[in-house]
Amino acid sequence: DIQMTQSPSSVSASVGDRVTITCRASHGIRSWLAWYQQKPGKAPKLLIFAASSLQSGVPSRFSGSGSGTDFTLTISSLQPEDVATYSCQQANSFPITFGGGTKVEIK
Amino acid sequence: QVQLQESGPGLVKPSETLSLTCTVSGGSLTNYYWSWIRQPPGKGLEWIGYIYYSGSTNYNPSLKSRVTISVDTSKNQFSLKLSSVTAADTAVYYCARLPGAFLAAERYFDLWGRGTLVTVSS
Repeated sequence: DIQMTQSPSSVSASVGDRVTITCRASHGIRSWLAWYQQKPGKAPKLLIFAASSLQSGVPSRFSGSGSGTDFTLTISSLQPEDVATYSCQQANSFPITFGGGTKVEIK
Repeated sequence: QVQLQESGPGLVKPSETLSLTCTVSGGSLTNYYWSWIRQPPGKGLEWIGYIYYSGSTNYNPSLKSRVTISVDTSKNQFSLKLSSVTAADTAVYYCARLPGAFLAAERYFDLWGRGTLVTVSS
């Protein structure tokens, strides 16, 4: 199985700050990575697929980059509604695996 | 729009079988792959398996010996059975849609149910 490791496990930032979350795969996964946002008590929501493609309806302040084993999710200007846990998912091979999540809070 | 809704018992006894159903409304099961994913309290997401509307399945090897996913196209539902449960199976269980499985470009979950908490306890 491909292990997905996210860092940091939590981050606290001010409204308007740039926030960057990292996801590392134990083996190369080309660009087959997705990012999800999960607000407390809610189902995950797809934000980005294929490492950098924005899902329809997702604000443009979210962006993704990377390939191979190292990927990043960036929130260019943190908003109060972005408080959530963000998880990465590799789609390169089965079984599909997820990262442990990064909790984003407002300072 | 298409919506998914999980249903089933919220409490299951150890060694028994967990059974959940996902009802798809506002759309058809056809041409999509349908998955179950779970999240233990305070932990990350774990993919359980998927079923294609035609009935073909793929399971996570870590759970394969205990998992059965089935589909009922006449009711627009698919179901999960997990046998011999223990406390480690306590989790929020989600059903989700997978646009494709053969192409890596399609192996992401674009639609989710709200999830249902299943607790394994005597």
